[in-house]
Amino acid sequence: KAGVTQTPRYLIKTRGQQVTLSCSPISGHRSVSWYQQTPGQGLQFLFEYFSETQRNKGNFPGRFSGRQFSNSRSEMNVSTLELGDSALYLCASSGFYGRTGEKLFFGSGTQLSVL
Amino acid sequence: KQEVTQIPAALSVPEGENLVLNCSFTDSAIYNLQWFRQDPGKGLTSLLLIQSSQREQTSGRLNASLDKSSGRSTLYIAASQPGDSATYLCAVPLAGGTSYGKLTFGQGTILTVHP
Repeated sequence: KAGVTQTPRYLIKTRGQQVTLSCSPISGHRSVSWYQQTPGQGLQFLFEYFSETQRNKGNFPGRFSGRQFSNSRSEMNVSTLELGDSALYLCASSGFYGRTGEKLFFGSGTQLSVL
Repeated sequence: KQEVTQIPAALSVPEGENLVLNCSFTDSAIYNLQWFRQDPGKGLTSLLLIQSSQREQTSGRLNASLDKSSGRSTLYIAASQPGDSATYLCAVPLAGGTSYGKLTFGQGTILTVHP
């Protein structure tokens, strides 16, 4: 099975721009979560989607948004980029929502640099 | 609010040593606990997942234990090798209907195994 695929791998943007990151989960997985990783804050949960519905949201401003499509692929969008948004953005997928014992499988991430 | 702490923050050992990484969490109402490995600039690889009803899990040279009542987990690495050098993270989801996909991570232990 192919793993979780995130595109693009690297992105360079300037302040004020917006960006869209893409995540394709493992085939058959219906739950997709997004995380932001920075040296100072570590890994922080952004949001989680299951069957095109946002089920959980972390403590991030409204500039961060996401969606999930009917094929379980997910995108996240960051508008009006700030320098502090520079981070590694990780996507993870898992099989059946709410079932205990499900591992999360992570993609390689998108490294976003805001100049 | 769940908080996860990992000790030590960094560890440097000679090849061949057995070592223990520690993880503690404040809220014992967890479904499971996962240990991940992260190589620089890369995504996370799940190493072991321990169900809340289990005491330990083993995979090759890795053994993870879980003591829910005391809010602690340990990852034991036997006969360490230079290829084990990476950041090791533990993470827990909170019990509850909608929080499964939302993991809270520790800050990680940076492990360096030198030849």
